[in-house]
Amino acid sequence: DQQVKQNSPSLSVQEGRISILNCDYTNSMFDYFLWYKKYPAEGPTFLISISSIKDKNEDGRFTVFLNKSAKHLSLHIVPSQPGDSAVYFCAAKVGGADGLTFGKGTHLIIQP
Amino acid sequence: NAGVMQNPRHLVRRRGQEARLRCSPMKGHSHVYWYRQLPEEGLKFMVYLQKENIIDESGMPKERFSAEFPKEGPSILRIQQVVRGDSAAYFCASSPLGGNYGYTFGSGTRLTVV
Repeated sequence: DQQVKQNSPSLSVQEGRISILNCDYTNSMFDYFLWYKKYPAEGPTFLISISSIKDKNEDGRFTVFLNKSAKHLSLHIVPSQPGDSAVYFCAAKVGGADGLTFGKGTHLIIQP
Repeated sequence: NAGVMQNPRHLVRRRGQEARLRCSPMKGHSHVYWYRQLPEEGLKFMVYLQKENIIDESGMPKERFSAEFPKEGPSILRIQQVVRGDSAAYFCASSPLGGNYGYTFGSGTRLTVV
């Protein structure tokens, strides 16, 4: 049972344009959401997070939007840069739990 | 200030052998989390430890897997009598506080069972 779904295995975006990565979840008990970025042969790197009491959080070029009624969140990267090419994982946490539930990831490719 | 250190980076074991994966958290971090990533999958939570205590092992397989985080030294994830299905990337993350989920992950140990 996939509680966190990233339905696009890959996404190709031109450099300088906006990248939008999507994530859907099924567990209404999730109260905290995170995005991680992963390069090959490295561990995931924390990017940005959002609490379920908010609908938007911004950090530089990265903005995460949360739509609780749709159980959907998205990560916007603008402008996209070549170094953004990586696999992006959406993750979520149930209140009181210790572990994160991860999606399968979306491979973002930034085209020059 | 070194990051989370995992070793070995690559580990090959024959079926039935034991695998020991080590994780040294970042300096000052006393909370350690282990995750497993099977091919084409997302990371799956296995266990959460503080120094000398297992806090949450709800994601650990009931048999053959164990974890420890002693007072001195790295955290160890131990897999006894490995099977082909244990082949995966095992990631360790550390945090200075419980409840802080912007973890710092290590580069992982890639276990291959032949």
